[in-house]
Amino acid sequence: SQTIHQWPATLVQPVGSPLSLECTVEGTSNPNLYWYRQAAGRGLQLLFYSVGIGQISSEVPQNLSASRPQDRQFILSSKKLLLSDSGFYLCAWSARNRANSPLHFGNGTRLTVT
Amino acid sequence: AQSVAQPEDQVNVAEGNPLTVKCTYSVSGNPYLFWYVQYPNRGLQFLLKYITGDNLVKGSYGFEAEFNKSQTSFHLKKPSALVSDSALYFCALISSGSARQLTFGSGTQLTVLP
Repeated sequence: SQTIHQWPATLVQPVGSPLSLECTVEGTSNPNLYWYRQAAGRGLQLLFYSVGIGQISSEVPQNLSASRPQDRQFILSSKKLLLSDSGFYLCAWSARNRANSPLHFGNGTRLTVT
Repeated sequence: AQSVAQPEDQVNVAEGNPLTVKCTYSVSGNPYLFWYVQYPNRGLQFLLKYITGDNLVKGSYGFEAEFNKSQTSFHLKKPSALVSDSALYFCALISSGSARQLTFGSGTQLTVLP
């Protein structure tokens, strides 16, 4: 069966420090991968999505970047964190070329920028 | 452009009573619709989806949803609510974009009172 791992679960970082959040998927190949941010426990904002290695699409211009160095690995990064980067970050995958495939989410990373 | 509306931020229901969480959508063409549930500090879990066919879709944990094309609605229902059903519920609509980006509603907090 497919699983998605996201770490760390919680992170407290000072303003101006770098960030690296990692997400890996097991049990499937060639997935679509996504990074979402959830603010205030509600709305989901799509940050990045990827349909293949090295292929990243950004949905919202911001202080963050994403990379996909391997087929089932998706990394969210920042060179210098801002207070506004605080939030709950969710990684997700879906099956490629299957339009009715749902997204499957990791358990998220709670980031607090102080 | 497509959109999803969840008109109720909060729904309260007594344990054992039926529950309904409302969702309406707007999209050109045929919609693919999904319901997700989120427990505190966790990722979203897929509950059910509508692709085509029978308008009544059955999903996990006894939930079901009814697709109504004329009313452009996809309400989530359960005949008898449990306290453990208390969570945040999201309706989502698939995009026609190549990466299958989901459009999420703003979420409805369901509280089942004992």
